[in-house]
Amino acid sequence: AQKVTQAQTEISVVEKEDVTLDCVYETRDTTYYLFWYKQPPSGELVFLIRRNSFDEQNEISGRYSWNFQKSTSSFNFTITASQVVDSAVYFCALRGYGQNFVFGPGTRLSVLP
Amino acid sequence: EAGVAQSPRYKIIEKRQSVAFWCNPISGHATLYWYQQILGQGPKLLIQFQNNGVVDDSQLPKDRFSAERLKGVDSTLKIQPAKLEDSAVYLCASSLGAGVADEQFFGPGTRLTVL
Repeated sequence: AQKVTQAQTEISVVEKEDVTLDCVYETRDTTYYLFWYKQPPSGELVFLIRRNSFDEQNEISGRYSWNFQKSTSSFNFTITASQVVDSAVYFCALRGYGQNFVFGPGTRLSVLP
Repeated sequence: EAGVAQSPRYKIIEKRQSVAFWCNPISGHATLYWYQQILGQGPKLLIQFQNNGVVDDSQLPKDRFSAERLKGVDSTLKIQPAKLEDSAVYLCASSLGAGVADEQFFGPGTRLTVL
C-alpha cells in the first residue's frame, strides 16, 4: 500500500523566515513519482514539482528547493525568505507505476507580515 | 490556454437531495479525474476516465455516486441521495495521458455543503 505522511498540520512563520515542509512516503514500488502541490485559498491545486524515484538530485527553483532522500523515504520542501503570498496548504503526493495519486493530508502554512 | 473549468463553485443542499457537478477539462486531455477533498484532508480519487471509459472507480461509493464522460470531453459527477458526510470539495483534474509522470491540472473545485 502507498502512503504519504505530512506530520506538520500547521506552520506559522514571520515573513522572510525560511520554512521546511516535511513529507515522508511509503511504497513498495521501485518506480514512482513524488509531487508537491500548493492549494491557495482560491482552492485550485497548483503543481510545483515532480520527481522520479531514480533522480535524487536536489532541486532549486527561485525561493523553492526540494530535498529527496530515498534512504529515509523523504521529500522535503523548503521555502527561503517566505512571503505572505506563500500562505497556502501544501500537499505532497506519491504516484507509483500503474497507480493513482495518493495525497498526504497537507500542511497549512501561514506567513505573517 | 484555458484551465479546467468546474461548475457550480458552491452548492448547498439538504440531505437526501440530489446534486450534479460539471467539469470541462483542458482541450486535448484524454484523462479526467474526480477527487473528493474533505476539510483538512488531501484529495481522494473517486474515479478516473480515459477518454470516455472508466479506468478506476474503486473508491467511488456506487450506491449513491455516479459519473459519466460522454464523448470523452466533459464530465458530470452526481450524488443521489446526498448524505451529511458528502460535504466536501469536489475537484476535477485532467492530464494528457494516464502515465505515472503525467502532470494533473486541477480545476477550482465545487464546494458542497449538505445540511
